[in-house]
Amino acid sequence: EVQLVESGGGLVQPGGSLKLSCAASGFTFSGSAMHWVRQASGKGLEWVGRIRSKANSYATAYTASVKGRFTISRDDSKNTAYLQMNSLKTEDTAVYYCTTYDYGVDSPFDYWGQGILVTVSS
Amino acid sequence: QSVLTQPPSASGTPGQRVTISCSGSSSNIRSNTVGWYQQLPGTAPKLLIYSNNQRPSGVPDRFSGSKSGTSASLAISGLQSEDEADYYCAAWDDSLNGRVFGGGTKLTVL
Repeated sequence: EVQLVESGGGLVQPGGSLKLSCAASGFTFSGSAMHWVRQASGKGLEWVGRIRSKANSYATAYTASVKGRFTISRDDSKNTAYLQMNSLKTEDTAVYYCTTYDYGVDSPFDYWGQGILVTVSS
Repeated sequence: QSVLTQPPSASGTPGQRVTISCSGSSSNIRSNTVGWYQQLPGTAPKLLIYSNNQRPSGVPDRFSGSKSGTSASLAISGLQSEDEADYYCAAWDDSLNGRVFGGGTKLTVL
């Protein structure tokens, strides 16, 4: 059974930092790009960024609003992806989902975690 | 403002067919495949359609997708009460080098 389990969320003050983790199991984590997507309360989905696999040089990409503040990393030995969030703003308040997908394979897949709430408030 | 444009709401009665549109540009929908997600309240999105018109196993064939140029559509036939949810389109954007989503369409089953 595939599982993506996020942890590390909570309440943080504006300007603060938080690091989310995404523990994966049930699929070939090391070969998969890992994405983070967020959703503010009552709003739509927003892609945050992604990190590709070792075969793709662990390349990262981010949405403009988080560039320079957020960093995505991974530890393939622990089957875990991370989202380091610095200089947090109130507008970063959202449920953050860890997700992975690949449609260009014999067995396409699209997996999401349950989401974790990050609240940025004083 | 979302990069992909969807109508904020749609509705239909049980048994009807409804369609949800998704409008993009040459850097996203025209150049890349489109996916569609269903999100029930308080849950993670669930993939309904990938690669424009492919259904993952387990997704009923009442759901279908299509793409033409810079637009895509999700059709739901034989509407059921459990289809009441938010629906999102998604595609990779080559100019932004990122995945983009539509703003979401809230489907109401009357």
